[in-house]
Amino acid sequence: GEDVEQSLFLSVREGDSSVINCTYTDSSSTYLYWYKQEPGAGLQLLTYIFSNMDMKQDQRLTVLLNKKDKHLSLRIADTQTGDSAIYFCADYPPFSGGYNKLIFGAGTRLAVHP
Amino acid sequence: DTEVTQTPKHLVMGMTNKKSLKCEQHMGHRAMYWYKQKAKKPPELMFVYSYEKLSINESVPSRFSPECPNSSLLNLHLHALQPEDSALYLCASSQGQGDTEAFFGQGTRLTVV
Repeated sequence: GEDVEQSLFLSVREGDSSVINCTYTDSSSTYLYWYKQEPGAGLQLLTYIFSNMDMKQDQRLTVLLNKKDKHLSLRIADTQTGDSAIYFCADYPPFSGGYNKLIFGAGTRLAVHP
Repeated sequence: DTEVTQTPKHLVMGMTNKKSLKCEQHMGHRAMYWYKQKAKKPPELMFVYSYEKLSINESVPSRFSPECPNSSLLNLHLHALQPEDSALYLCASSQGQGDTEAFFGQGTRLTVV
């Protein structure tokens, strides 16, 4: 079945850029997502990218997609302490029947220190 | 309004209790979802409702019983749970088939004692 993998932990200094990486296995995936989860909270949709795009930028967030390598990354510019959270990469595979039957990676814990 | 509201936020129940989790959205979404998230793990899909009909059941034990009384509400009825069922239960909704965005609630933190 589809598998989504992420590194588990990233530590950055406040003001630096953060890059969170994700790999997935299903080459026919249509959409790929980034969700943010703060401690004890639900999931917040940050951004998503359609599979025919290479890049998407939204304010401080930049998503890069390399379909050949099945690699997705999320860059957060000027990282702030409020960005500390777990970031989940998620895949929307084509066998979902049109539903958001998301396959999540394990999540990357981003720690921002002064 | 892009809000999915879940109640209660926290729930402690015994193994012989019957309880229900509730989820509500007023975005006109026709697909609603239950996910289960164990500590330090990603969310895993349990059920999908589309147009108030159960469309996907990811082989969830029968002690979890979903219900969609109308297009805005989704319930999860719990009975005879085990301590290993303790988790964060997340509700989500999306426009329907083919929609790109799913919106999640804040979750119900369930502890089974």
